[in-house]
Amino acid sequence: DTGVSQNPRHKITKRGQNVTFRCDPISEHNRLYWYRQTLGQGPEFLTYFQNEAQLEKSRLLSDRFSAERPKGSFSTLEIQRTEQGDSAMYLCASRKGGYYGYTFGSGTRLTVV
Amino acid sequence: AQTVTQSQPEMSVQEAETVTLSCTYDTSESDYYLFWYKQPPSRQMILVIRQEAYKQQNATENRFSVNFQKAAKSFSLKISDSQLGDAAMYFCAYRSGPPANFNKFYFGSGTKLNVKP
Repeated sequence: DTGVSQNPRHKITKRGQNVTFRCDPISEHNRLYWYRQTLGQGPEFLTYFQNEAQLEKSRLLSDRFSAERPKGSFSTLEIQRTEQGDSAMYLCASRKGGYYGYTFGSGTRLTVV
Repeated sequence: AQTVTQSQPEMSVQEAETVTLSCTYDTSESDYYLFWYKQPPSRQMILVIRQEAYKQQNATENRFSVNFQKAAKSFSLKISDSQLGDAAMYFCAYRSGPPANFNKFYFGSGTKLNVKP
């Protein structure tokens, strides 16, 4: 069990650029979640995958955001045409079916300048 | 939608003393779970303690215990014998349904705990 891995840890990008983040969950965890955490706030749900199927998306996930989980393994979160309001910590979490809690990754901190 | 409220943005405690962090939530559901997560600076969130709503007994994990008041929709975390390593942001979280469901977590805004030596 190597934990949930997120890359990169930090990303600085210019407004209008596209960025992509990667999450590698714990291997036997079939459920994967993306959350966004802004400064001074708790994480807010973005989207959920069960295996490769994206089963729920938050209204926070505008059409500039897209997430994938090919083959039910790692997941990517892409933000197109970034805006300053996208600056946040993007957290990935995974869990095994039938278990209560998540295992979180360390997050990717995005700064849009 | 469910809401989770943490009314204490920041708290301080002396090392070896006891501190209680407050959390209230709003829900119309009867089957749910409550959690406290700890987020140290620049480090990942880790689960501190979990409470099932159907259990009357308060959960305890070593120095960490909760006071779960279902009727009042209150879920406070007590940290006994505080240690320097307890300094972190603490988030209260709610999720509904049994473990098999995919239901997302709702998090409070967090309480920053400072531990003074």
